[in-house]
Formats: sequence, C-alpha cells, structure tokens
Amino acid sequence: AQKVTQAQTEISVVEKEDVTLDCVYETRDTTYYLFWYKQPPSGELVFLIRRNSFDEQNEISGRYSWNFQKSTSSFNFTITASQVVDSAVYFCALSEANSGYALNFGKGTSLLVTP
Amino acid sequence: DAGVIQSPRHEVTEMGQEVTLRCKPISGHDYLFWYRQTMMRGLELLIYFNNNVPIDDSGMPEDRFSAKMPNASFSTLKIQPSEPRDSAVYFCASSPGGGAWGGELFFGEGSRLTVL
Repeated sequence: AQKVTQAQTEISVVEKEDVTLDCVYETRDTTYYLFWYKQPPSGELVFLIRRNSFDEQNEISGRYSWNFQKSTSSFNFTITASQVVDSAVYFCALSEANSGYALNFGKGTSLLVTP
Repeated sequence: DAGVIQSPRHEVTEMGQEVTLRCKPISGHDYLFWYRQTMMRGLELLIYFNNNVPIDDSGMPEDRFSAKMPNASFSTLKIQPSEPRDSAVYFCASSPGGGAWGGELFFGEGSRLTVL
C-alpha cells in the first residue's frame, strides 16, 4: 500500500505565483518523520525539511513553508513567489521508527515555473 | 565531510553483463540504504543495512540483485546478469538513524545505469 500520496503529478505556474504541493501520508506508528526532498534537473536529491510526529508547528524558511496537520495526515509544502529555479521534482517522504528509518517516497510532483 | 560517494556515476553495459555499483557512506552513519529510481516506479527502496547487517531486502527485485556491506565504509550492489529493465538511477544513502537527526537520509549523487 502506498504510504505517501502526492496526488499532483505535474504543476505549471508562472513566476511569482504561489504554489502548494500536497502530501498525504499513512502510518500506524506514533513515532515517525516526514520529509520533503527536491530533485532538480541535475538529478541529485536535496533535503529541504524534516518534521517529527510530535511537532505540528508549521515552519517557514524564506519563500518555503510547510503545513503539518496530523488530523488530516497531511504535510503540504508551499512556495511563495515562485521562481524559475524552483522548477524541479519534489518528493514527500515518510520515515517510521519501526522500519529502520527507511524513507517511503511519494511519486513526486513535477513543478515547472515559467518566466 | 565528503558526503556519500557513489561510483560509477554512469555505466553503460550490455545485457547479460555483471554490474557492480559502489557506495561509501558518511563516516559514523549506522544505516545504509540502496534506492532505485525509474520513471515508472519512482524511488524504490531495495535494501537497507544497520551496522553492516542487511535488515530488509524485500525490495530487491529478484535473485539477480545482491548487496553487501563488508565493513562500515563500503557497500556494493551487484546485478548479475543485467537486463535492459534494470536501467535506472541507483542511489545510495546513509543515515545516523533517529534521535536528534530524525532519520534524515543523506544521498549520494546516484549511479545512472543503462543496460543495452
């Protein structure tokens, strides 16, 4: 069963628009971690953020913000005032203590930001 | 720290040949993971090790795939014999585990395998 669902396969926005990438997860563990990774066209996986299951505080880092809601099992990612350099595939991932912290990745959302 | 180092970065081989991918994890990390990325299946966990011991290899597609970790600083993923459907990017990642690090995985740059 898919543990992480990213329903949006592709999103295209014009520069300076705000965009939200959705992530819904499924777990029975009480201790788990949620992540977002970015994969630019060059192919490497770049860590963006980690959240643990006991910390539902939202986080803002520059133009990036994350909304973690346990009630809806969601961990959404918003880019404010998008830029062309934000074009990439973004992966949401779940790590469970009972699985040795292996990351279960969603299928990814491909974001294209056009000038 | 040098990060996770993978080699080769690119490999092109012919069907039936043996392929060996190598990984050097970050020193001090207790966990090592091998992932495969394809367009069709996304990022799949193949196997992971804890303190050099394979813990879960349920993601290894078939007997043609094998992985070893002879010591804390080196791991290999071998495909023998290789097939065109094995073409993918193979990522190695290491992690210090949970606790303060929260299970973050540090990824290598990947090995792009093409089997003709």
